Amino acid sequence: DTAVSQTPKYLVTQMGNDKSIKCEQNLGHDTMYWYKQDSKKFLKIMFSYNNKELIINETVPNRFSPKSPDKAHLNLHINSLELGDSAVYFCASSQNRDNEQFFGPGTRLTVL
Amino acid sequence: GNSVTQMEGPVTLSEEAFLTINCTYTATGYPSLFWYVQYPGEGLQLLLKATKADDKGSNKGFEATYRKETTSFHLEKGSVQVSDSAVYFCALSGNSGYSTLTFGKGTMLLVSP
Repeated sequence: DTAVSQTPKYLVTQMGNDKSIKCEQNLGHDTMYWYKQDSKKFLKIMFSYNNKELIINETVPNRFSPKSPDKAHLNLHINSLELGDSAVYFCASSQNRDNEQFFGPGTRLTVL
Repeated sequence: GNSVTQMEGPVTLSEEAFLTINCTYTATGYPSLFWYVQYPGEGLQLLLKATKADDKGSNKGFEATYRKETTSFHLEKGSVQVSDSAVYFCALSGNSGYSTLTFGKGTMLLVSP
């Protein structure tokens, strides 16, 4: 009965590689998000999709490309990984106008 | 733009002590306000929320009141437990249809027996 799930939970890779993180929500929400949490726990929005359409794209390198095949899924593909991409990435979803968001468990990405 | 300022941590308390974590915000209009909690190794969970001025959000013994006059949403609990040890995030959401959450930097709470 997991609401927002992400895979993988841990991802360790070399610089320059390309990797993807998957996110799925079974809440029937229309809006999904990707956040990046750095080593100091600071959370920053990266992208937001509503009904498969990109609605928010913060200042994120274009090596990061989100893809939403349907409104229950929002995947994050990262090209040419860099050391600074090491972080925990959280997926979230929301439905209500007051924007209560439900978060996934996070994916810890380590770039060596 | 919107911003949220929280007190720096870590906050270290003994079990059964009173907790206050300060949060102030800057926003246009009438944002909704939230407290999220992140337990070690987990994602964020909504702790409580308030959607208009003077609303009080409460959950699991935690409370916060939306104070528009002081632009604050301080988190309080009368008697903390060791299991409350976590990172607490204050956040706001603008009142447009597709606004995102703006988070504070988080405050780590450590409760010792």
